[in-house]
Amino acid sequence: GDSVTQMEGPVTLSEEAFLTINCTYTATGYPSLFWYVQYPGEGLQLLLKATKADDKGSNKGFEATYRKETTSFHLEKGSVQVSDSAVYFCALSDRSNTGKLIFGQGTTLQVKP
Amino acid sequence: DAGITQSPRYKITETGRQVTLMCHQTWSHSYMFWYRQDLGHGLRLIYYSAAADITDKGEVPDGYVVSRSKTENFPLTLESATRSQTSVYFCASSEVGDGYQPQHFGDGTRLSIL
Repeated sequence: GDSVTQMEGPVTLSEEAFLTINCTYTATGYPSLFWYVQYPGEGLQLLLKATKADDKGSNKGFEATYRKETTSFHLEKGSVQVSDSAVYFCALSDRSNTGKLIFGQGTTLQVKP
Repeated sequence: DAGITQSPRYKITETGRQVTLMCHQTWSHSYMFWYRQDLGHGLRLIYYSAAADITDKGEVPDGYVVSRSKTENFPLTLESATRSQTSVYFCASSEVGDGYQPQHFGDGTRLSIL
């Protein structure tokens, strides 16, 4: 079945460092790909999405490109802030007319001043 | 305010008890979902609903029951709680189920079963 694999965390960075969180997926067909962010004590919020190959999703300085050839959707940010500390989830939707999401295990990011 | 609300936010109960988690959304979204979040597993789908009176199982449905008599409400019931059901539960909704639209999540219910 479909699955999503994220890099193990936690990831600890200093403020203004470059961030990469790796995400790879296995899916039949052509899924949509999402990054969600969860701040402490809150639910998940959509960060960005891409719905077809070579699409780039971007929001709040974060970017991710849908790479079909490598089945990847890595999250990047050029300069992280303390306020970016959160748990990041990569997810895919299999377009089976249900909108179900399959999530990776989540990566905790801690940014130190 | 429009949105998706879950109640209670925190719940402690004992094994064998029945407990119901509530979810209410004000957008009139057709699709609603229940997930559980466990360390190392991310979020896993328990049940989902495409419309009122239409529900279907997700990845981990055993021990859970859902209903959806009204579009805006989607309660999740643990009929006889077990310790393995200790988790954080998230409700979500989306306007359509085409896989393009994102889901909108509530703030979660942290459930502890002693």
